[in-house]
This record gives sequence, C-alpha cells and structure tokens, in this order.
Amino acid sequence: EPEVTQTPSHQVTQMGQEVILRCVPISNHLYFYWYRQILGQKVEFLVSFYNNEISEKSEIFDDQFSVERPDGSNFTLKIRSTKLEDSAMYFCASMRGTGELFFGEGSRLTVL
Amino acid sequence: QKEVEQDPGPLSVPEGAIVSLNCTYSNSAFQYFMWYRQYSRKGPELLMYTYSSGNKEDGRFTAQVDKSSKYISLFIRDSQPSDSATYLCAMSPNTGFQKLVFGTGTRLLVSP
Repeated sequence: EPEVTQTPSHQVTQMGQEVILRCVPISNHLYFYWYRQILGQKVEFLVSFYNNEISEKSEIFDDQFSVERPDGSNFTLKIRSTKLEDSAMYFCASMRGTGELFFGEGSRLTVL
Repeated sequence: QKEVEQDPGPLSVPEGAIVSLNCTYSNSAFQYFMWYRQYSRKGPELLMYTYSSGNKEDGRFTAQVDKSSKYISLFIRDSQPSDSATYLCAMSPNTGFQKLVFGTGTRLLVSP
C-alpha cells in the first residue's frame, strides 16, 4: 500500500540552527501539506502546497519556515533558525484531490 | 469557544464494548469530516471520511454527522485491545482541503 515517508524520524538540533525535514508523498498525489503536533497538543496546520506553490499557510508559518518541492518526488520543510518552541512532531501529508488526506509517520524535532 | 472540541479522555472500556467518540464544532462552514486514529508517536491514520450530514459505515466503525447540532460521532462496535489509541476528529470547509482543523483527540483504552 502506498504511503507517505518522512526522514529523519528524529532530529536533535541546537537553537539557531537550520533544519530540513524531508517527505516523499504518495506518487500520484497533487496536494502536499505540513502539519505539526507539539507534545500533548493537537495537530496544527502549517502550510499547503499545490502546483509548485504555497496555496495556504497558517500564522505559525512565518518567515523562518519555507517549503520546496525540489524534484518530482520530494517535498521539504526548512526551518532557518530553530527556536525552542519549534520542538514538535512534524507531519507531512498528501492528497490526490479526493479529500482523503494521508499522513506520514512524522519527524520528531528536538531543539536544545 | 474553540473551533473544534473533543473530550481528551482517557476513555476506558472492556473488550467487546461499543465505544462512542464525539466532537462538537462551532464553524457552520465545515462540510467534510474525518476521523483519524493515532498510535503513540505515530502519524494520524485515516479511518473514516464523510461529507455533510448522515452516516457512514465501514466494518466495525460507523461515523455520524449532525450538522444541525454541529456534532459528529464515531462508533466502534466489538472493541478490541488493538483499538487502543488516540482518536482525532478533523474537519474542513471546502473541497480543496486546504486546512484541516483537528480536535485535541480522545485517548481510548480497551482492556482485554
């Protein structure tokens, strides 16, 4: 069964460092998303991406964040200068267009 | 008032019980309703997806939407210990699914 894959599964970084989280969405999907979940809190929308551009972003997704689809398979989330409060699980998700959103296993980011 | 409210639980039931999980919401624009299951430190897994009001059944799972009351439910029949997880409701106003709004999740514990 096709699935969304994410790497790394866990990354530890120092405050102020840049982090790139990688995702391979399901191959025939057209819409791509990043969500995050701070420990013990609800899953929150960060950004959606369609047709090689951001279609919507939340107020969390400030100038420190960026997304890119550098080739036909990868979808990345970059955090330029990490803060302590960026520590969370980051989930990539994709959708073909039928409304069913599929999530990856997540990348746990720990900022020290 | 929160946009989506969900009792965090935990909800403890014996194996074989019928489980009822619920969410209320305030945004009348929501049209698409989903239930996800999330195991500890894993990504949300889509269980059920419904549009507008009505019922949908899939095996032991039944999803109900009552838009007039802004209330959605997930019923699990013949619950199993493997059903022990956190159940997240999520909803969206439009076909583009630009942004899912999640509840906080209800933790379910099914004891053998």
